[in-house]
Amino acid sequence: QLQLQESGPGLVKPSETLSLTCTVSGDSISSGSYYWGWIRQSPGKGLEWIGSIYYSRNTYYNPSLKSRVSISIDTSKNQFSLKLISVTAADTAVYYCGRHRRLAADGKLGWFDPWGQGTLVTVSS
Amino acid sequence: EIVLTQSPGTLSLSPGERATLSCRASQSVSSSYLAWYQQTPGQAPRLLIYGASSRATGIPDRFSGSGSGTDFTLTISRLEPEDFAVYYCQQYGSSPWTFGQGTKVEIK
Repeated sequence: QLQLQESGPGLVKPSETLSLTCTVSGDSISSGSYYWGWIRQSPGKGLEWIGSIYYSRNTYYNPSLKSRVSISIDTSKNQFSLKLISVTAADTAVYYCGRHRRLAADGKLGWFDPWGQGTLVTVSS
Repeated sequence: EIVLTQSPGTLSLSPGERATLSCRASQSVSSSYLAWYQQTPGQAPRLLIYGASSRATGIPDRFSGSGSGTDFTLTISRLEPEDFAVYYCQQYGSSPWTFGQGTKVEIK
């Protein structure tokens, strides 16, 4: 059974870098049918897709965050990671990692299934 | 970016009743690339429907999805106690992939 688990600091100071890791168990992160993504949820902005990465390191980012986001992957550890620089209080949210389906028909990216349990990151001094 | 607007914001119903949730897109969603998720308090969203009408693995057949273009619907035929939750739609027709703001289904 595929499981994803987020880990990382729950408190980050303003202007610093938010770093999270997602550990995947029950399947290889090198599966060709999936990307691996980050999504966040805050009361103010709801659910927001951040970005997704393939085992080949090809990435897609949300244009609204692209200048501050970096997603990397470590296939040897079956993990992928998120870095968000220059954070502000607006980046306070529950951060989820999820498996992002790659559509066989056209190679586009689709839905997220499953999701990790999520981790709350608060940006505060 | 495609903006998804869900309505109503809150739906107050009794167990056994039928729930109809709407998701409207600001522009046409290509190939009916729309998914629905259920979220209960303290949990991550769970995939219910993809491709506008295909149920995900293990999802009961009381959940059904329909629609195309800009108008999509999630129907729960008879509400069970565990169905009272928040429901989100997500489009994957064009990047960036976006979500609706959610509809809460609460016990009347």
